[in-house]
Amino acid sequence: DAKTTQPTSMDCAEGRAANLPCNHSTISGNEYVYWYRQIHSQGPQYIIHGLKNNETNEMASLIITEDRKSSTLILPHATLRDTAVYYCIVKNYGGSQGNLIFGKGTKLSVKP
Amino acid sequence: NAGVTQTPKFRVLKTGQSMTLLCAQDMNHEYMYWYRQDPGMGLRLIHYSVGEGTTAKGEVPDGYNVSRLKKQNFLLGLESAAPSQTSVYFCASSQQGARAKNIQYFGAGTRLSVL
Repeated sequence: DAKTTQPTSMDCAEGRAANLPCNHSTISGNEYVYWYRQIHSQGPQYIIHGLKNNETNEMASLIITEDRKSSTLILPHATLRDTAVYYCIVKNYGGSQGNLIFGKGTKLSVKP
Repeated sequence: NAGVTQTPKFRVLKTGQSMTLLCAQDMNHEYMYWYRQDPGMGLRLIHYSVGEGTTAKGEVPDGYNVSRLKKQNFLLGLESAAPSQTSVYFCASSQQGARAKNIQYFGAGTRLSVL
């Protein structure tokens, strides 16, 4: 599975868009980009994933560059409850293990 | 709509004691996982299972054993607890393949302290 690089921490004002970047320059053609988040003391929560097209759901939008070497998770109107560690993970649909490889993620602090 | 349930939520052990952590999922998932998370770190895979009756080692399996006797349950055992096993343990489950999109669902965690 490809390795990802994320900033250690970011701040965002409440009500503004939070844009979380991720670099995955060694991603292979069949690997998807997944985003999970972990609110303090809770289990990780799936947010969104995509292959090459931009994706949007009720939680967030995912923008993947054309060369697929980087992506951005967008929380359009961040709230205090969005304060969490956000993990960018690349993974294919198959594989013998299926587990996710977590890095240290980006700690997003949403401030009033 | 329980999802993934872990018991207990908290536990304190003395060095050398044994215990079993239980994970139950009600989504009929084939794959189940046990991860541990230490302060300031991401999750690391301990053991996993790709189906009832099968288990395999992950990244950090030493000191742990697992069993998957029923599809919905995945047990993590510590035979002789050590202070290095103080951690937060997360269980997860998923269904593989394009239809299920390999999305993992996590439990709320078990906080274990070994004194």
